Amino acid sequence: GIQVEQSPPDLILQEGANSTLRCNFSDSVNNLQWFHQNPWGQLINLFYIPSGTKQNGRLSATTVATERYSLLYISSSQTTDSGVYFCAVERNNAGNMLTFGGGTRLMVKP
Amino acid sequence: GAGVSQSPSNKVTEKGKDVELRCDPISGHTALYWYRQSLGQGLEFLIYFQGNSAPDKSGLPSDRFSAERTGGSVSTLTIQRTQQEDSAVYLCASSSLGRGVKQYFGPGTRLTVT
Repeated sequence: GIQVEQSPPDLILQEGANSTLRCNFSDSVNNLQWFHQNPWGQLINLFYIPSGTKQNGRLSATTVATERYSLLYISSSQTTDSGVYFCAVERNNAGNMLTFGGGTRLMVKP
Repeated sequence: GAGVSQSPSNKVTEKGKDVELRCDPISGHTALYWYRQSLGQGLEFLIYFQGNSAPDKSGLPSDRFSAERTGGSVSTLTIQRTQQEDSAVYLCASSSLGRGVKQYFGPGTRLTVT
C-alpha cells in the first residue's frame, strides 16, 4: 500500500511563531486532505488539496503532486492551534479510502 | 443533517460482549467510510460503502467485525465478542460519490473494552 510520512512528529512553538509541516507520500494520489484533530478527538477539515496551493486565514497548504509531497504552513501561531495535524491521501487506481500519516503533534505555548 | 453524526459518543463494555456503533452520514452523501484510531496503529481504514455496490471490507481486522448500511444512509458497525485490543476511537466519514472527493468526519465513538 501507499506510505504516508509526516514530519516533524512533534513540534513546540512559542505563540506568534510560524511553522511548516510536511507530508511525503510514496505513490500518485487523487485526493489529499489535511486535518486538525482537536483535544476532543474531532477531525477538522483544513484543506482538500490534491494539487496546487490554497490559503485560509493564517493557514496555507501546497501540494506538489509530481514530487509527492505536501506542506502545511501555520503563521502567527496561537495556543488554539495546538493538537495533532494529519495528512491523508487517496491513492490513484485503488480504493477510495484515505491512508493517514502518523501525524504531527503541535503544542503552542503562550 | 449538517454534519456526520455518530452514536454513542462513548461506550464501555466488558470483554466478550457485542457492541453496535452507529453513523449518520451527511444527507445526500452516497459514500460512507469507517476508520478507527488506536494508540498502537494510528488512524486506519476499516470498511467503505459506495452507493449500491458491494462494500470494500479490506480493512476489517477480523471476522468479529462487520458493518451494514441500510437504505443507503445510516450505517452500523458491529463488533462481536469484543477484545481489549478493540479499544479505540471509531470514526465514520462520508462523501459524495466519486474518486478523489473530500471526506467529512464525524466526532467518533470512543470504545473501551474492560
